[in-house]
Amino acid sequence: GESVGLHLPTLSVQEGDNSIINCAYSNSASDYFIWYKQESGKGPQFIIDIRSNMDKRQGQRVTVLLNKTVKHLSLQIAATQPGDSAVYFCAENMDQKVTFGTGTKLQVIP
Amino acid sequence: EPEVTQTPSHQVTQMGQEVILRCVPISNHLYFYWYRQILGQKVEFLVSFYNNEISEKSEIFDDQFSVERPDGSNFTLKIRSTKLEDSAMYFCASSSPPHTYGNTIYFGEGSWLTVV
Repeated sequence: GESVGLHLPTLSVQEGDNSIINCAYSNSASDYFIWYKQESGKGPQFIIDIRSNMDKRQGQRVTVLLNKTVKHLSLQIAATQPGDSAVYFCAENMDQKVTFGTGTKLQVIP
Repeated sequence: EPEVTQTPSHQVTQMGQEVILRCVPISNHLYFYWYRQILGQKVEFLVSFYNNEISEKSEIFDDQFSVERPDGSNFTLKIRSTKLEDSAMYFCASSSPPHTYGNTIYFGEGSWLTVV
């Protein structure tokens, strides 16, 4: 079965607000997670990653939080912009394979 | 920024025909991948390739599929006897070294395959 999945299929956020996209995983052996952004008609684009020995990692306007106790990770986008509108996938990397979740569509309301 | 390039961007083929999708990975990368995404669904792993051989493949990657690195720059996915359900966006990706923490996997823009 699927080991990486998302809670909500669509998230609508007002421009300027913060966005939080959630993801659950089931494989407790997973030790490396990645968030990807996919704009319409394009390939997945790496946003940020995190290893299981960390619980938080920050990038430019993005933060990933990992809670290993409940097997949950989240992507926080600060000051959401129209250009952030896309589908966001969490993914886990095991060996040389990236397994994607089903995705959350982020809609930014101007 | 270096990029993975794929051709064609869109191909329409008749059921039963063979299709070859082409990819030029990033030049210094050694690990190559194919993924596919059926419309509206998640991105699915097909195969990884290193040192001129398949490293890992999914259950989707059956005998209908094959990959090849015919020269030093191209990486191809061949789909024999295409079926309607093969219609999808196919993404090529590459990384170096293997896609591990801190070593990003880069995806191409995809080849959209429509089987009619």
